[in-house]
Amino acid sequence: DGGITQSPKYLFRKEGQNVTLSCEQNLNHDAMYWYRQDPGQGLRLIYYSQIVNDFQKGDIAEGYSVSREKKESFPLTVTSAQKNPTAFYLCASSIGGLAGAETQYFGPGTRLLVL
Amino acid sequence: GIQVEQSPPDLILQEGANSTLRCNFSDSVNNLQWFHQNPWGQLINLFYIPSGTKQNGRLSATTVATERYSLLYISSSQTTDSGVYFCAVNTGFQKLVFGTGTRLLVSP
Repeated sequence: DGGITQSPKYLFRKEGQNVTLSCEQNLNHDAMYWYRQDPGQGLRLIYYSQIVNDFQKGDIAEGYSVSREKKESFPLTVTSAQKNPTAFYLCASSIGGLAGAETQYFGPGTRLLVL
Repeated sequence: GIQVEQSPPDLILQEGANSTLRCNFSDSVNNLQWFHQNPWGQLINLFYIPSGTKQNGRLSATTVATERYSLLYISSSQTTDSGVYFCAVNTGFQKLVFGTGTRLLVSP
């Protein structure tokens, strides 16, 4: 069935380590997004991609990197430069092409904890 | 950038009660969505409603774009309605800007 999958559900990171969060969608959507949610807060945009091989920084891109080599995949790497990575990470996708005026659908999220 | 404010921040209801959640935004929008975040963190789409009124079962939403607010109505609330309700808007760029949410607890 169609949807957005994220893995792993929980991820533990040691100091100085890079970790990669997976996001896959089979909705044939062009646009994909990564958001970060801190406890008791709304979501903030990290990166987004409107099309394969293209991506743009969001509001809080420092310490993160992404790639978009395939339409269905948009992995997020949390680098050692991100000093406060503990958060809930949500991936989303949308049809795209309407300057944001379309519904975004979200995956189940990954909880990242720093050891 | 655009500001999104939600009220009330917290709401406690008895099962069966009705409630109204409000979302105010500071600029014109071309996208407004209401989400329910369940206790496991999953964000569930409730409505895509940049203007007008929509209904889905016990839930309905109204956006008055000219006055820059949206309302989410929950009727005959159930314990499964508990969670956090977010309003999110878009002003013509790709990103959604989220409010800080309304935390709803429905007790049996």
